[in-house]
Amino acid sequence: QSALTQPASVSGSPGQSITISCTGTSSDVGGYNYVSWYQQHPGKAPKLMIYDVSNRPSGVSNRFSGSKSGNTASLTISGLQAEDEADYYCSSYTSSSTLKVFGTGTKVTVL
Amino acid sequence: QVQLQESGPGLVKPSQTLSLTCTVSGGSISSGSYYWSWIRQPAGKGLEWIGRIYTSGSTNYNPSLKSRVTISVDTSKNQFSLKLSSVTAADTAVYYCAREGGSGYRIDYWGQGTLVTVSS
Repeated sequence: QSALTQPASVSGSPGQSITISCTGTSSDVGGYNYVSWYQQHPGKAPKLMIYDVSNRPSGVSNRFSGSKSGNTASLTISGLQAEDEADYYCSSYTSSSTLKVFGTGTKVTVL
Repeated sequence: QVQLQESGPGLVKPSQTLSLTCTVSGGSISSGSYYWSWIRQPAGKGLEWIGRIYTSGSTNYNPSLKSRVTISVDTSKNQFSLKLSSVTAADTAVYYCAREGGSGYRIDYWGQGTLVTVSS
């Protein structure tokens, strides 16, 4: 099972919007509406930000939104803030025996 | 509020077995339709899913680790455990325990992580 493909880095200025892509196949991202996104600050455990493509858990800012088109899912952060600087990982349900695959990770830098 | 806490040796010698335990608090490990999982992250690298267990005892493992991994659960102690045998330096990583739930197996709770170093 290959990892989902994410850009290594994305950057933006405070207040701007950025989008992180997550590309898989029809066996994972494209085949199911079960994409999740996790935020990880240095030295910390990941935190669930989006699940089932576009749903936000309670307590997650509405500046974070998710979408999907074909085999590519996207996470958009609007009104970028300094605290958003972190690594972001996508994950998808997969038809393989593992049932789960992670993305390669994207480092978000706030300029 | 569910909380998970990893525990175990921080240093393991090559060829030996890595053993970690995750203690769940704030809820019963047996309640609800959840899977209890292990994920690891080598320094500066991405997340690697290791495996999961359901409270019935059924397991799924990452095929790349399957021959060396055993995950077990002790519902009486509200704990689940990871054993990884024949470790090498490549197994050095931060190991996280986590709860997976929902139809998409999303991870909604994570432990803080514990660094395990494989070195003689």
